[in-house]
Amino acid sequence: NAGVTQTPKFQVLKTGQSMTLQCAQDMNHNSMYWYRQDPGMGLRLIYYSASEGTTDKGEVPNGYNVSRLNKREFSLRLESAAPSQTSVYFCASSVLAGDSYEQYFGPGTRLTVT
Amino acid sequence: GQQVMQIPQYQHVQEGEDFTTYCNSSTTLSNIQWYKQRPGGHPVFLIQLVKSGEVKKQKRLTFQFGEAKKNSSLHITATQTTDVGTYFCAGKRANAGGTSYGKLTFGQGTILTVHP
Repeated sequence: NAGVTQTPKFQVLKTGQSMTLQCAQDMNHNSMYWYRQDPGMGLRLIYYSASEGTTDKGEVPNGYNVSRLNKREFSLRLESAAPSQTSVYFCASSVLAGDSYEQYFGPGTRLTVT
Repeated sequence: GQQVMQIPQYQHVQEGEDFTTYCNSSTTLSNIQWYKQRPGGHPVFLIQLVKSGEVKKQKRLTFQFGEAKKNSSLHITATQTTDVGTYFCAGKRANAGGTSYGKLTFGQGTILTVHP
């Protein structure tokens, strides 16, 4: 099992460009999450999907959109990138949503917006 | 909204010294999870505490959940260089429902450096 995979690993964008971050899991998990990590800020939830067909906003959703393509895949889209979106993005999954289930994280995407 | 604060933000220790990080929530938590992130890596789940006053041990690591379920701590005895990394706590407000159901709030993390 690969666990949670993310593509790309690194990306540099110019302000105003768009891109989609891809995430897939092969653990048959129902719930998936997108976080961003900035120095001194911990992990902040952008969006999550409790189950296939549902998505909900997290703590910092502005400037992002998500798509739960199927049970395995959950993508994050930046429509018009801004320097404030420079960050490390982590995708995670868990068996079910809620606090009782550990989250498994992907390796991350390091995004720089110039 | 719910806030989870961790202290200290940084901790430098000599190998063999003990280390403790503290996690405090602004609201009562239903349970708390701890994660470790190695430099350049991704967070990895360590443990979950559920009961008020619960204490769990993993080799040199001791985790505690406060009686009021609003705070937690992670203590490492006799640190080793392999303990280097960032330690995060994460929790969800007790009785949260609706769109809050799936949301974990992470603390800012404590960055541990161990000098050999």
